[in-house]
Amino acid sequence: AQRVTQPEKLLSVFKGAPVELKCNYSYSGSPELFWYVQYSRQRLQLLLRHISRESIKGFTADLNKGETSFHLKKPFAQEEDSAMYYCALSGETSGSRLTFGEGTQLTVNP
Amino acid sequence: DTEVTQTPKHLVMGMTNKKSLKCEQHMGHRAMYWYKQKAKKPPELMFVYSYEKLSINESVPSRFSPECPNSSLLNLHLHALQPEDSALYLCASSKRLASSYNEQFFGPGTRLTVL
Repeated sequence: AQRVTQPEKLLSVFKGAPVELKCNYSYSGSPELFWYVQYSRQRLQLLLRHISRESIKGFTADLNKGETSFHLKKPFAQEEDSAMYYCALSGETSGSRLTFGEGTQLTVNP
Repeated sequence: DTEVTQTPKHLVMGMTNKKSLKCEQHMGHRAMYWYKQKAKKPPELMFVYSYEKLSINESVPSRFSPECPNSSLLNLHLHALQPEDSALYLCASSKRLASSYNEQFFGPGTRLTVL
């Protein structure tokens, strides 16, 4: 069975501080990992996918197969980064199912 | 048009009512999805359609009945719901069945309350 674990329900940092949102997964096979973000009163949207290895809004995430992790990082948090962040997993054995973690609510304080 | 739209935004219904949720996209996507999201919880997959055919039913109770009349439209028919079915219902679409190359685009959701 596939599973995504986000250990922190809530995370609070100050503006300008580094931020790391943790994501660990369990999957037998080659996983496809994503980070989705939901800003207040806005729709869920894709932030990053591991396959593209890009930086979006200053966020990066590296897939570490040895540690089965896909942590989301940003060196200098901004107030507009405050949102709910979901790590999600898919893979060849799961068809088109996206399995989401429980989410981390990030608050960036001024 | 690069958005997924959903109507209505809010719906209140009694347990004996029949209602429908509607989802529309004009991005040429051939995979469409229904998710259920409870407050402060992640979305849970309900149904997946691929090329207008039901591909996945995640053991959803029969009081929820999906329909994909054409490649742009996805409906969710509701009948004899229970109060615990109250949730945000999200629709999503992707070019094909989701993979790393097929981003899922989500609609804003319909907030359903069952009395």
